[in-house]
Amino acid sequence: NAGVTQTPKFQVLKTGQSMTLQCAQDMNHNSMYWYRQDPGMGLRLIYYSASEGTTDKGEVPNGYNVSRLNKREFSLRLESAAPSQTSVYFCASSWTVSYNEQFFGPGTRLTVL
Amino acid sequence: GENVEQHPSTLSVQEGDSAVIKCTYSDSASNYFPWYKQELGKRPQLIIDIRSNVGEKKDQRIAVTLNKTAKHFSLHITETQPEDSAVYFCAASTTGTASKLTFGTGTRLQVTL
Repeated sequence: NAGVTQTPKFQVLKTGQSMTLQCAQDMNHNSMYWYRQDPGMGLRLIYYSASEGTTDKGEVPNGYNVSRLNKREFSLRLESAAPSQTSVYFCASSWTVSYNEQFFGPGTRLTVL
Repeated sequence: GENVEQHPSTLSVQEGDSAVIKCTYSDSASNYFPWYKQELGKRPQLIIDIRSNVGEKKDQRIAVTLNKTAKHFSLHITETQPEDSAVYFCAASTTGTASKLTFGTGTRLQVTL
């Protein structure tokens, strides 16, 4: 089992460019999440999908969109990247949203110039 | 929404000593409190969690205590070892279909020889 995988591992964008971060899990989990991690800020939830077919905003959703493509895949899109979106992005999954361990992917380091 | 505060932000202990990290939360409805460990350049991983119906939980050298009245919970690591050096995050959540984890800002623990 690969667990949670993310692509790409690193990305450099120019302001205004768009890109999609991909995430997939092979644990048959129902719930998936996207976080960003900034120095001194901890992990902040961008969007989550409690189950296939649903998505909800987290703490910092502005500037992002998500798609739960199927049960395995959950993508994060930046339509017009800004320097403030420079961060490390983690995807995670869990069996359900309640009381369950979240398994994280390896992260994507994004720099917006 | 939930707010989780974590202290200290950095902690240095000598090998063999104990380390304590403290968190407070704001939402009295929160009832699930996990702790994640993130080694340098790696993904966060769950190390221990506690539900609101218990006051303490132990797993070998780590333990977590919860005081629901005061709305705070703590991570205790005894007999620290160099491999305990990492960033530790506390988190809190309610349960139900809309529940989501709110993370603290992290504590960088350095275990020195």
